[in-house]
Amino acid sequence: QSALTQPASVSGSPGQSITISCTGTYSDVGAYNYVSWYQQHPGKAPKLLISEVTKRPSGVSNRFSGSKSANTAYLTISGLQAEDEGNYYCCSYASRSWIFGGGTRLTVL
Amino acid sequence: EVQLVESGGGLVQPGGSLTLSCTVSDFSFSVYHMNWVRQAPGKGLEWIAYISTTYEIWYADSVRGRFTISRDNAKKSLYLQMNSLRADDTALYYCARDNDYSFVYWGQGTLVTVSS
Repeated sequence: QSALTQPASVSGSPGQSITISCTGTYSDVGAYNYVSWYQQHPGKAPKLLISEVTKRPSGVSNRFSGSKSANTAYLTISGLQAEDEGNYYCCSYASRSWIFGGGTRLTVL
Repeated sequence: EVQLVESGGGLVQPGGSLTLSCTVSDFSFSVYHMNWVRQAPGKGLEWIAYISTTYEIWYADSVRGRFTISRDNAKKSLYLQMNSLRADDTALYYCARDNDYSFVYWGQGTLVTVSS
């Protein structure tokens, strides 16, 4: 199965909001409410931000939120902060497997 | 504090074999499904293998038939036996704890380099 499609890069200024899209198919994103989002800083392991499309684990800032419409999932980061700069990956369960997106590089201007 | 520590990576020739281990602490290993996820240098994440608490096993197409995932609950350890290694298997290999179809906890990874 092909990777989910994410924009290669997005940018925003401190305090602004940005949204990262993650497009799959009817077999993955569209079929299950098991989309998750991960933040990864250089040299670090990924960190879970959102599970099951909209759920935020304990300890994750409420500036991060997730949603889904049809075959596309979205991660919105509000009130951008310098520490949000990094790489973001979406992931969807897809019947006995998981598929990641190619990743989006977020730059905080 | 939940910890996952991978080990066993290194340099191996094409066609060679390697076994990775992931030892966990501070959670009941036997009641969680576990996964291996890899990341090639400068690239994105790729899920490669899953083992459930009841030993149901799934693989990504890219590794099926070459890699074998296993677990030893008594040792609180997850394993990945990798055979017929290729250059495109070069990556940082993470073990990750599964919870509701997401990867909640990750190790720091162990690097596998396949090169002659």
